[in-house]
Amino acid sequence: EVQLVESGGGLVQPGGSRRLSCAASGFSFSTYSMNWVRQAPGKGLEWISYIGPSGSPTYYADSVKGRFTTSRDNAQNSLYLQVNSLRDEDSALYFCATDLPNPLGSWGQGTLVTVSS
Amino acid sequence: DIQMTQSPSSLSASVGDRITITCRASQGISNYLAWFQEKPGQVPKLLIYLTSTLQSGVPSRFIGSGSGTDFTLTISSLQPEDVATYYCLKYNSAPRTFGQGTKVEIK
Repeated sequence: EVQLVESGGGLVQPGGSRRLSCAASGFSFSTYSMNWVRQAPGKGLEWISYIGPSGSPTYYADSVKGRFTTSRDNAQNSLYLQVNSLRDEDSALYFCATDLPNPLGSWGQGTLVTVSS
Repeated sequence: DIQMTQSPSSLSASVGDRITITCRASQGISNYLAWFQEKPGQVPKLLIYLTSTLQSGVPSRFIGSGSGTDFTLTISSLQPEDVATYYCLKYNSAPRTFGQGTKVEIK
């Protein structure tokens, strides 16, 4: 069974940084592309990043380009999102999702990032 | 970047009704369109990919159609368990983009 477990969220000051993690199990992690999606409280889904199976290519939404970096460690079955220069509008539940078996076919439960002073 | 415009933003219908949600892309995306269902308090779930292919386990009352720039999700007979917010997603190229969402309620 595919399992994705996010961690690393918390309260961060504006301008601060955080590293989010997604631990994958139950499938051949290195074979599939991965995504980060976020959802601000009471708002819709926003796709923010994609990474290919081997670590490239990477793509980002304009709203996070230059501030967020996605990476993966296939040996550790882990996905990461480094979030820098955080703004109030980055407060959201951050999900990782794999393109298994189809686009964003499996999701984790999310990790909450709150940006506030 | 390609924009996705989803409508309506909300709808209310009776059990057994046929309902339709529309997604329009600002440029052609071939058939790389997916639909997701997000029930209150739950993680989003993939319903349909490649415009019309049902994800395993999804009831046949969910029907996807369209091509190019105009796509629809139809629920042929609305059930109480279909109360949710539905999102389209275009994934032909980066950036992937969700529609704004359609909240479906029962009258």
